[in-house]
Amino acid sequence: NAGVTQTPKFQVLKTGQSMTLQCAQDMNHEYMSWYRQDPGMGLRLIHYSVGAGITDQGEVPNGYNVSRSTTEDFPLRLLSAAPSQTSVYFCASKDVAGTEAFFGQGTRLTVV
Amino acid sequence: AQSVAQPEDQVNVAEGNPLTVKCTYSVSGNPYLFWYVQYPNRGLQFLLKYITGDNLVKGSYGFEAEFNKSQTSFHLKKPSALVSDSALYFCAVNTYSGGGADGLTFGKGTHLIIQP
Repeated sequence: NAGVTQTPKFQVLKTGQSMTLQCAQDMNHEYMSWYRQDPGMGLRLIHYSVGAGITDQGEVPNGYNVSRSTTEDFPLRLLSAAPSQTSVYFCASKDVAGTEAFFGQGTRLTVV
Repeated sequence: AQSVAQPEDQVNVAEGNPLTVKCTYSVSGNPYLFWYVQYPNRGLQFLLKYITGDNLVKGSYGFEAEFNKSQTSFHLKKPSALVSDSALYFCAVNTYSGGGADGLTFGKGTHLIIQP
């Protein structure tokens, strides 16, 4: 009963480094999305996908790339990390429109 | 563009008293409304949703919410607060136009503190 799994849970990067945050879900959900959570700002949508091979930008997409080659996986790539990307990142999935999203446990990223 | 406002950063309630966490929204279509709760260092857990139908929806842990279309509000309520209800609560909205666009818009969150 894994649900949405995010790895790693914690990460420290140096400015300019790249990395990929992993997200996998085992519920066969079509919709997946990435959010970042910053104090006093709630969660903001970075990118989302409505199915394999389809991705689109959310509210704050700059500095992030995504791909959706399978239904299960939706990795988030930081090509050149910046201190402004220090945040907690959440991946979510859901079945169809109008249903509730299931969230992973989050990845706490610090860029120094 | 859709938006959600949670006007209170923090709500303090004595244990056993009723609680209300406020949420108002702005959307161009029919709203799908959600409440989520976040405990420290955890992900978000779904509490309840309004899609259509009865304006009063019941959810997990004894919480309920009332959809008010004229006031564009979706306030979260519980008749008797527990200390274990202390957490960060998020209201979220989504609309579905059939065009494939998706993604929730969240409010900034309200810290609910239940005092023994």
